[in-house]
Parts: sequence; C-alpha cells; structure tokens
Amino acid sequence: GENVEQHPSTLSVQEGDSAVIKCTYSDSASNYFPWYKQELGKGPQLIIDIRSNVGEKKDQRIAVTLNKTAKHFSLHITETQPEDSAVYFCAAAANNLFFGTGTRLTVIP
Amino acid sequence: SAVISQKPSRDICQRGTSLTIQCQVDSQVTMMFWYRQQPGQSLTLIATANQGSEATYESGFVIDKFPISRPNLTFSTLTVSNMSPEDSSIYLCSVGGTGTGNTIYFGEGSWLTVV
Repeated sequence: GENVEQHPSTLSVQEGDSAVIKCTYSDSASNYFPWYKQELGKGPQLIIDIRSNVGEKKDQRIAVTLNKTAKHFSLHITETQPEDSAVYFCAAAANNLFFGTGTRLTVIP
Repeated sequence: SAVISQKPSRDICQRGTSLTIQCQVDSQVTMMFWYRQQPGQSLTLIATANQGSEATYESGFVIDKFPISRPNLTFSTLTVSNMSPEDSSIYLCSVGGTGTGNTIYFGEGSWLTVV
C-alpha cells in the first residue's frame, strides 16, 4: 500500500515568515494530494489539494507543489499568522487516502 | 463541498460495551470512509463503506470489531464493538468521489473515551 512520509514533525516560525512542509509518497499510482489543517478538538479541514496533472497550485497565502518524478510534494504558507498554528497533514491517494504523520506548526507573534 | 454530521460528537463508554457512530452527508456521494485517529497521532483508514455491500477493511481492522453499514449514498454507521481503553480515539467519517468533485472531506469526528 501507499506510504506517506512527512517532515518536519514540528515547525516554529515568526509571524510573517514562511513555512514549508514536505511529504514523499511511495505509490506511483497516487494522483490526488490534499493538505489538511487540524485545530485542537476539530476534524481535519481541507486547505488545498493538487492533482497529478498539475505541478503547482496557489490559493492566497497557501501554495502546493508536486514533483511526480521524485514522488514528493510540499506545502508553502507565506506571511504566516498566529491563526495558522495547527497540525497539518499531507495525504496521497490512488483510490484510498493515506496520511502523513503530521506537522505541528507554531507561529510566534 | 460537503457538510458532514457525525453523532455522537463525544462519548465516554464503559469497557466491554459497543457504540455506533452515525455519519450523515448533505448530498449523495459515491465514497464514504471511516478513519481512526489515536491521541496525538495521524489518521488511519479503517475501511471503505460500500453502499449495498460489505465494507472493505484495511489491514489490521476486522468486521467483527468494526461493523459498518451503508444503506444509501448519504448515510453510514461505524460500530466499535467490545470496547477496551485502547479504542479511545477520534473516529472520523470522510466522503469523496462523485458529489464532491472527487475532493475528500472530513466530519468533525466522534471523540470516544473508554473507561
């Protein structure tokens, strides 16, 4: 089955700086790569996703890049704000969705 | 997007009992899934809920422990049977496929504590 690795496990940045989270996957059949933000006490919230026919996607301060050859994809958050503090999960799917281990992002005011 | 409602949102359960979690979606979706998230951990797929047939379970999960129903395209249930403290987790329903533009969404989860 699919194996998704995610780094770093924790990340602290100053408010206004950028944050980057990286993931790799193992199954070349995976074609859908969403990112979720999970705040304490809540379910995962989809923040952005990318499909295998696209190399990059941007939505305001959030961008995701995908390198299918290398089997890795990354989340970029610019101009970070304290409300960006949460746990972020990457995932990869061919049929079913498999998750990375999560990154706890802390934005320091 | 899809609006997903899960019940109960939170419960404290006695060891040895069973609890059924309900998942209701506001639109018809082809795919429904159940995940488990143990404290401080990532999400692990339990099974795919198939409409009108038996669920497809992932390695390490069995039907006797986690029976699943899916009577139609908007509703599914997950039962956690004969619970032990190790079953204390968040159980999450997710949906995708036709009806969500092939995007996968999650409910808020059902937080179970087994004592």
